[in-house]
Amino acid sequence: DQQVKQNSPSLSVQEGRISILNCDYTNSMFDYFLWYKKYPAEGPTFLISISSIKDKNEDGRFTVFLNKSAKHLSLHIVPSQPGDSAVYFCAASAGGGSEKLVFGKGTKLTVNP
Amino acid sequence: GAVVSQHPSRVICKSGTSVKIECRSLDFQATTMFWYRQFPKQSLMLMATSNEGSKATYEQGVEKDKFLINHASLTLSTLTVTSAHPEDSSFYICSARARVQRLKQYFGPGTRLTVT
Repeated sequence: DQQVKQNSPSLSVQEGRISILNCDYTNSMFDYFLWYKKYPAEGPTFLISISSIKDKNEDGRFTVFLNKSAKHLSLHIVPSQPGDSAVYFCAASAGGGSEKLVFGKGTKLTVNP
Repeated sequence: GAVVSQHPSRVICKSGTSVKIECRSLDFQATTMFWYRQFPKQSLMLMATSNEGSKATYEQGVEKDKFLINHASLTLSTLTVTSAHPEDSSFYICSARARVQRLKQYFGPGTRLTVT
């Protein structure tokens, strides 16, 4: 049973436009969410995170939105750049001392020049 | 900062042999390290959590006698796949957590294991 779901395996956008990557979760105990970016044959790199006490966190071109009632979060990248092309993983943690992250399957983003 | 290395990056071994993968935090002390496995087009599946100086905690369904984890120092954890079988072929990724950053994990580049 997938607790973290990224239903879009791929997304293609034009350079300069907005990229929106979505993530849904089922476990109401999750209280911290992270986005990781992964290039082929490399480990994931941390991008941005959000605590469940917030509904938005912004860092440069990256913004994460959290809708707790819908158990949904999204990552917005604007403007998108070709270098953003990678697989993006959504991850969640249940807190309470747990350090474990539960990952989604990832969304492959392609930004076309 | 927060660099994690893995060695080897790629290994091919014969069925029945054992393979050791090293994970090192290069510029910080990692009190906790995690080992993941990733199949093609799948998410990262946590295999085990290891704390320096104590036994690893394995996730349900992961055989602790097959996947031996040692976290002997604050900068090194090893995963040994014993008596490897072709179904163990996968991408193994470690991550490390610094003492003061509760939830942020820094990932290594991964190791591609192929068992023939």
